[in-house]
Order: sequence, then C-alpha cells, then structure tokens
Amino acid sequence: AQTVTQSQPEMSVQEAETVTLSCTYDTSESNYYLFWYKQPPSRQMILVIRQEAYKQQNATENRFSVNFQKAAKSFSLKISDSQLGDTAMYFCAFMSRNYQLIWGAGTKLIIKP
Amino acid sequence: KAGVTQTPRYLIKTRGQQVTLSCSPISGHRSVSWYQQTPGQGLQFLFEYFSETQRNKGNFPGRFSGRQFSNSRSEMNVSTLELGDSALYLCASSLARGGEDTQYFGPGTRLTVL
Repeated sequence: AQTVTQSQPEMSVQEAETVTLSCTYDTSESNYYLFWYKQPPSRQMILVIRQEAYKQQNATENRFSVNFQKAAKSFSLKISDSQLGDTAMYFCAFMSRNYQLIWGAGTKLIIKP
Repeated sequence: KAGVTQTPRYLIKTRGQQVTLSCSPISGHRSVSWYQQTPGQGLQFLFEYFSETQRNKGNFPGRFSGRQFSNSRSEMNVSTLELGDSALYLCASSLARGGEDTQYFGPGTRLTVL
C-alpha cells in the first residue's frame, strides 16, 4: 500500500526567509504524480505544485520549488522569500495509476512578520 | 468561471440519522472526488466519479455512498450516522482523470454528529 509521510507537524519562519517542508512516500509503482497542496485557515485547498515521477527535472512555480529524489522516495517543498499569505497547512499527496490521492498528515506553516 | 460549490456548508445531525451532501463541479469538469478530513485520520479518499460512474472507492463502510448526475453534479450520502463521521467533507473536481488534471477543491461541508 502506498503511504505518504510528513515528519514536521509544525514549522515557523520569519517573513522573507526560505523554508523547506519534507515529504517521503512509499510505492512500488514507477510512474505516478506527486503534489503539494495548501490549505489556508478557513479557506479552500489549492494546488501549489505538481511533479510527474518520470520527469527528472524538479518542478518550480514562482517562489515554490521541489526537490524530487525518486530513488530516495523524497519530495520536499521549498518556499523562497516567504510571505505572510503563505501561512497555511501544507499537504503532500501521491496519485497512483488508479487516480486516488493519498495524503500526508500535513505540516502547519506559520510565517511570522 | 465559478468554482466548486458544496452545500450545505454546515450540518448538525444526531446519531442514527442519514445525511446527503451536494457538490457542484466547475463547469465542464467531469470527474468528482470526495474526501473526508478529520483531525485524527487526516485526509482520506472516499470515492471518485467520472461520467456518472463510480471509478474508485476508498476504504469506508457501505454506509457511505454517492452518485453523479448527467450534469456532473455529485451527491454523497451517509446513512446511520456515527459520532466518528463528524468531519469536513471535501469535494474536488477536475476536467478528466489523471495526475495532469488539477483537482479543484470546494470549501467543504462541516458535518457534526451529536
């Protein structure tokens, strides 16, 4: 069975700093997708970034980038120049060939002014 | 384009009752997935519908069921409610099925079972 592990329940950093959220996963599949989703307080879940496993190049979206290590089954999210609006729960998720999203427990990220 | 809408936003029920939650996907989206979010269990996949057919089901008892209509709107039903069913139920829609199709989430329905 596939599993997703986020080992950091909570993190806090100062505004403008860089922060890295960790995620590891377990699967026997070779082709899959990995995602980072953000859930701000009392707001909707939104997709931050997506990585296709067969693509070796790490995905980037503006201030958000990932470090995808397929052999190590690691998928960390780096947020550069963090902003107050980045305060949210961040979920790592895995999608296998049956299109089912399997979620990590989440990391609560607090950006301090 | 309007986002994913879920009704009702909040619901209070008592044990033993049944409940129906509704999800209207983004226009043109054909896939709808449902998730349960609780503090203890986190986010768990309930089921996925595409073209009015259930394509996938998570590890939940038969009390949890759903359906999708021809306009892609979806409903989920929970019968014989238990205290442990208290959760935020999230619906997500996407154009099609696949990791390349972004799932857009609704605001959720907060169900409280007393």
